[in-house]
Amino acid sequence: GAGVSQSPRYKVAKRGQDVALRCDPISGHVSLFWYQQALGQGPEFLTYFQNEAQLDKSGLPSDRFFAERPEGSVSTLKIQRTQQEDSAVYLCASSLGGTRTETQYFGPGTRLLVL
Amino acid sequence: AQSVTQLGSHVSVSEGALVLLRCNYSSSVPPYLFWYVQYPNQGLQLLLKYTSAATLVKGINGFEAEFKKSETSFHLTKPSAHMSDAAEYFCAGMNYGGSQGNLIFGKGTKLSVKP
Repeated sequence: GAGVSQSPRYKVAKRGQDVALRCDPISGHVSLFWYQQALGQGPEFLTYFQNEAQLDKSGLPSDRFFAERPEGSVSTLKIQRTQQEDSAVYLCASSLGGTRTETQYFGPGTRLLVL
Repeated sequence: AQSVTQLGSHVSVSEGALVLLRCNYSSSVPPYLFWYVQYPNQGLQLLLKYTSAATLVKGINGFEAEFKKSETSFHLTKPSAHMSDAAEYFCAGMNYGGSQGNLIFGKGTKLSVKP
């Protein structure tokens, strides 16, 4: 079956521009996570959804970052007034339910470069 | 707070040699631990996970990992390296402080396989 897909795969933005990154999780997956992976680092948690409810946004680095999942499937991560330090790969992951032991399936990521 | 430490940002082995990638964790509760592999320009793929059942966990592609509570370790091994194993490997632990279990990743170890 189809895995997690993300679009665009690459995005170049000028500093100050707003960007929107899309994640299509595996169909039927309840949980959805966003992670940020800086160059040479491991992914770091940004936010978590269970269905349409955003249950944890403790990892969002600033109020310029906003995520939504209005119908409990597709999610969008929006970054307003992008800064150079926002340059990273943004990974989306989904899992079937909400238990801690479930496997998170990752998408290929969106590589964001802010100039 | 939980943390995951991977020793060695780069490991190089010869084809056919033993692969050993080190991971240590800190956790005040029994951890759930994971190893993911990331190929260039791809998302993370789960290799194996420990969820407090058997301490020796077998994964895909011939990899296995042993959970050692006394050493707070979860090292990844493969008896004989193949060229296709060249990739970046991430150890991750479940974040019990998070709402539903986001992952905390190590910084990754890049594995090179020499012919």
